[in-house]
Amino acid sequence: DAGVIQSPRHEVTEMGQEVTLRCKPISGHDYLFWYRQTMMRGLELLIYFNNNVPIDDSGMPEDRFSAKMPNASFSTLKIQPSEPRDSAVYFCASSFDSPYEQYFGPGTRLTVT
Amino acid sequence: GDSVTQMEGPVTLSEEAFLTINCTYTATGYPSLFWYVQYPGEGLQLLLKATKADDKGSNKGFEATYRKETTSFHLEKGSVQVSDSAVYFCALTLNRDDKIIFGKGTRLHILP
Repeated sequence: DAGVIQSPRHEVTEMGQEVTLRCKPISGHDYLFWYRQTMMRGLELLIYFNNNVPIDDSGMPEDRFSAKMPNASFSTLKIQPSEPRDSAVYFCASSFDSPYEQYFGPGTRLTVT
Repeated sequence: GDSVTQMEGPVTLSEEAFLTINCTYTATGYPSLFWYVQYPGEGLQLLLKATKADDKGSNKGFEATYRKETTSFHLEKGSVQVSDSAVYFCALTLNRDDKIIFGKGTRLHILP
């Protein structure tokens, strides 16, 4: 079975540009999570969904960040406008029935210059 | 609030050495506890878990015992290998439907 799929794997963009990160969870999983990882702040939960509904978005840094899950097999994380401090690795993870055992994707490394 | 504290890294050991990575937690209730591992260039993956006091989680030679009296969940392995080099995250959740709270991670280097 395919794991969690994220695209792109690497993104380099200029400050002020819009960035869209994509995630396809494992088929049948009903929880989806977006995390950000940096050396300074470690691993941060940004938002998570259950059955396509956002449950907790308290980790979303500010209004520049938005996340959607239009159906069970696709989610996006958008940053508009991007800033250099948004540079990080963004992980998507999914799980079935509870957040206990989360399966992480390979991550998207975002660099904002 | 609920939180996890784990020992700062990096931890550097020689192959076949004994490993302990300390983890303590603060929680308002009775959490479930986890260890996740992140190998270089990859996402995290669940290593082991324990859902109640005195439970022992184990996987791939790693073990951790849920100690309610000391609010700890230390990770141990009797003989580490170079392939165990990774970042290890201790984590908790208060209930089955709630998000997982991760520690800051401990980087482990194993020298051949």
